[in-house]
Amino acid sequence: GENVGLHLPTLSVQEGDNSIINCAYSNSASDYFIWYKQESGKGPQFIIDIRSNMDKRQGQRVTVLLNKTVKHLSLQIAATQPGDSAVYFCAEFNDYKLSFGAGTTVTVRA
Amino acid sequence: DTEVTQTPKHLVMGMTNKKSLKCEQHMGHRAMYWYKQKAKKPPELMFVYSYEKLSINESVPSRFSPECPNSSLLNLHLHALQPEDSALYLCASSQAGRTNGYTFGSGTRLTVV
Repeated sequence: GENVGLHLPTLSVQEGDNSIINCAYSNSASDYFIWYKQESGKGPQFIIDIRSNMDKRQGQRVTVLLNKTVKHLSLQIAATQPGDSAVYFCAEFNDYKLSFGAGTTVTVRA
Repeated sequence: DTEVTQTPKHLVMGMTNKKSLKCEQHMGHRAMYWYKQKAKKPPELMFVYSYEKLSINESVPSRFSPECPNSSLLNLHLHALQPEDSALYLCASSQAGRTNGYTFGSGTRLTVV
C-alpha cells in the first residue's frame, strides 16, 4: 500500500499483537544498521543489528528487515508486551560514526 | 561489569558556571563517545575518542571541552553554556574500530539557567 515503509512518530499497539516500526536511512555506504530502545530516564539500549549485506535477521521476538533498494529498515516485534513501551530509534554505522534516525514512540495498550 | 556509568544524573548550572560531566566504563572498550539529546529528538554525536585520542569533533562549540584521562574515563567540561544547551548528555563506549556494539550510559540531565 501507499503507507508501506512510512515512518510514524507514534505507534499504539494492543498487548499481544505484533508491532512494525519503520525507518528510512540516508547513507547507502553504511556498514551496519541497528535498532535501539530508549525507556524514560535511560540511555538507548541495543536491540538488534543487521549488516548491510543481509536483508533479514531474527532475534528473540524481534526481526529486522533491510531493503537497500529503497533505503528502508523495519523492526518487527512479536507478541508485544507492556515492557516494550518505549521510544525506538534506528541507527546507521558509517565512517566510524553511529547516527540516529527519528524515533518512534510505542505505547502498548492493555 | 557491562555498564557505562555517568555522573551526576542531574545538573543545574548558571551560564557563568564551570562544571564537568563524568563517564566511566570497565569493559575494556577503547572508544568512547559523547552524544547530546534534546527532548523528543534522537541523540546527536558530539565527540569520538579512540585510544584516548580525540578522533571526531562534530563542530561542537568550544564551550564544550572533552577530555579522556585514561581508557576508562571520559569527561565533558562545560563553561559559559547557554540555556539552549540544556539537554540529556549521553556517554557511550565500544570496541575501537569499525564496530556497532555501543553501550550507552543513562545520561546526565543538564539544565542551564
